[in-house]
Amino acid sequence: GIQVEQSPPDLILQEGANSTLRCNFSDSVNNLQWFHQNPWGQLINLFYIPSGTKQNGRLSATTVATERYSLLYISSSQTTDSGVYFCAVYNYIPTFGRGTSLIVHP
Amino acid sequence: SQTIHQWPATLVQPVGSPLSLECTVEGTSNPNLYWYRQAAGRGLQLLFYSVGIGQISSEVPQNLSASRPQDRQFILSSKKLLLSDSGFYLCAWFPDSQAYGYTFGSGTRLTVV
Repeated sequence: GIQVEQSPPDLILQEGANSTLRCNFSDSVNNLQWFHQNPWGQLINLFYIPSGTKQNGRLSATTVATERYSLLYISSSQTTDSGVYFCAVYNYIPTFGRGTSLIVHP
Repeated sequence: SQTIHQWPATLVQPVGSPLSLECTVEGTSNPNLYWYRQAAGRGLQLLFYSVGIGQISSEVPQNLSASRPQDRQFILSSKKLLLSDSGFYLCAWFPDSQAYGYTFGSGTRLTVV
């Protein structure tokens, strides 16, 4: 099956810092999503981004499907950005990476 | 609007007791529905998925079963819970608009004692 690797596994930032999260995948896929799991456990869909670049406020994402990776950018981080960020890739059934745990200190 | 509901939010059950978790979707018909489990340590494991009433595919042999008695209802069950069944259970669906991707319910945190 498809392998999904996320890096870094853990990230600690001061409020206001910028960060880049990476998702590499082992095979061609038609779909890719980024999720944020908040401290209460809910998985929030951040981006559906099979290719190209999207932006939503302080967050943006870029997927280069031909090179099998995606990047999630967080600018001017806030404490509410804390949580785990997951990348999921799929043609029909999502395969999730193990996530990046982000802690933003005030 | 299309929404997904999952309950209960938390559950503490003794070993050997039965389990029933429910997931329902509103605002759509014939959705693809999924049950995931997240154990401590972050990874999400697909347990079951369903493409229609009575159609259940199992991804991993488990002490669990799933049923889809109605078009927009997906139920996760167990006859006798094990300690290893503890975890965070998430229901998901794929909305009509592929431009949005998979959407997850709020989850059920199950602790087997």
